[in-house]
Amino acid sequence: EDQVTQSPEALRLQEGESSSLNCSYTVSGLRGLFWYRQDPGKGPEFLFTLYSAGEEKEKERLKATLTKKESFLHITAPKPEDSATYLCAVQAADSSYKLIFGSGTRLLVRP
Amino acid sequence: KAGVTQTPRYLIKTRGQQVTLSCSPISGHRSVSWYQQTPGQGLQFLFEYFSETQRNKGNFPGRFSGRQFSNSRSEMNVSTLELGDSALYLCASSHRTASTDTQYFGPGTRLTVL
Repeated sequence: EDQVTQSPEALRLQEGESSSLNCSYTVSGLRGLFWYRQDPGKGPEFLFTLYSAGEEKEKERLKATLTKKESFLHITAPKPEDSATYLCAVQAADSSYKLIFGSGTRLLVRP
Repeated sequence: KAGVTQTPRYLIKTRGQQVTLSCSPISGHRSVSWYQQTPGQGLQFLFEYFSETQRNKGNFPGRFSGRQFSNSRSEMNVSTLELGDSALYLCASSHRTASTDTQYFGPGTRLTVL
């Protein structure tokens, strides 16, 4: 069964304290792995798509990496405005285009 | 480009009633997917439409249904509402190619069933 597990469930950082969020997945053939950011009461905001092991993508203070079993979202020198829930999702390389989501990591960055 | 829009943003219904939610995708996107988000179950796939046809359906009862129109706008309907249907209902659209399918989400409709 396709599955996504994110850790930690919650993370508290001081402003400027870099860290990483983990997304482990099992899927019968990967079409893509997606990272989203979600603020309370809002829809998920797209961050990155990764397609193959070894791929990396960056956007401001965020960098996403992918291996055959997991993905990491590295946050460098975070700011309070980076506080949000970060969601990881996978899409299997089958006829379904559904996203299978992890439960998310709630990130709080304190000034 | 305008993003995905969903209406209404908030709804309060009572058990047994039915509800219809609407989604307008990003211009040019022909695929629309619906997800249910609850604190206990997280984000779960409901169904997906492409070119007015339902292509996939998640593990939800038949009370949940949907459709897509020729302009790619989509609606989902929930009949005989139950308390457990209270959730944030999210719509996502994508410009599907042979190898990519990045889904962009709308703000959601918050449904409360009393």
